[in-house]
Amino acid sequence: AQSVAQPEDQVNVAEGNPLTVKCTYSVSGNPYLFWYVQYPNRGLQFLLKYITGDNLVKGSYGFEAEFNKSQTSFHLKKPSALVSDSALYFCAVSLRDFGNEKLTFGTGTRLTIIP
Amino acid sequence: NAGVTQTPKFRILKIGQSMTLQCTQDMNHNYMYWYRQDPGMGLKLIYYSVGAGITDKGEVPNGYNVSRSTTEDFPLRLELAAPSQTSVYFCASRPRLAGDNEQFFGPGTRLTVL
Repeated sequence: AQSVAQPEDQVNVAEGNPLTVKCTYSVSGNPYLFWYVQYPNRGLQFLLKYITGDNLVKGSYGFEAEFNKSQTSFHLKKPSALVSDSALYFCAVSLRDFGNEKLTFGTGTRLTIIP
Repeated sequence: NAGVTQTPKFRILKIGQSMTLQCTQDMNHNYMYWYRQDPGMGLKLIYYSVGAGITDKGEVPNGYNVSRSTTEDFPLRLELAAPSQTSVYFCASRPRLAGDNEQFFGPGTRLTVL
């Protein structure tokens, strides 16, 4: 079975400061890892993904994430937070099993950027 | 492309009523998914489909049914609505390539069962 943990329900960051949203995963095999963002009353939007290769992945809106296999983590980061980054963020994992991939989502972290 | 569209946006049902949530995608994606989102619980997979005529259960299928007669459409049916089905429902799709491709989500349907 695969699972994702987002240990913080809420993260508050001052505008201009760096931000980190944490994610750890559990999967029996090689994972695909994703970050999605959800704005109020909207569907989820894809931010970035890790498949293979470079452990530092860059995505939309200046976000990046670092895959750490030994710590089974995939934390989302941004060097300088914007008020517009305030949203709900979901980490997700999928096992590499062609034809049978299903995403398992974390419970989400609400990010609030304080002006 | 409109992407993934869902109708209706909102619906209130009485206990025991039935309804169909519609989902359509115009990206020619083979894979389609239905999720429900409950507060503090993330997204749970209800049903998914890998192509027209093929569907399978996800994590929380009880109380729901699906069909996939075309590539574009993947309706979700609630036969006997219960208060436990109050949730926000999202449809998603992705192309039939290696599983690294991200899913594209619709805007959601907010359902309340009273």
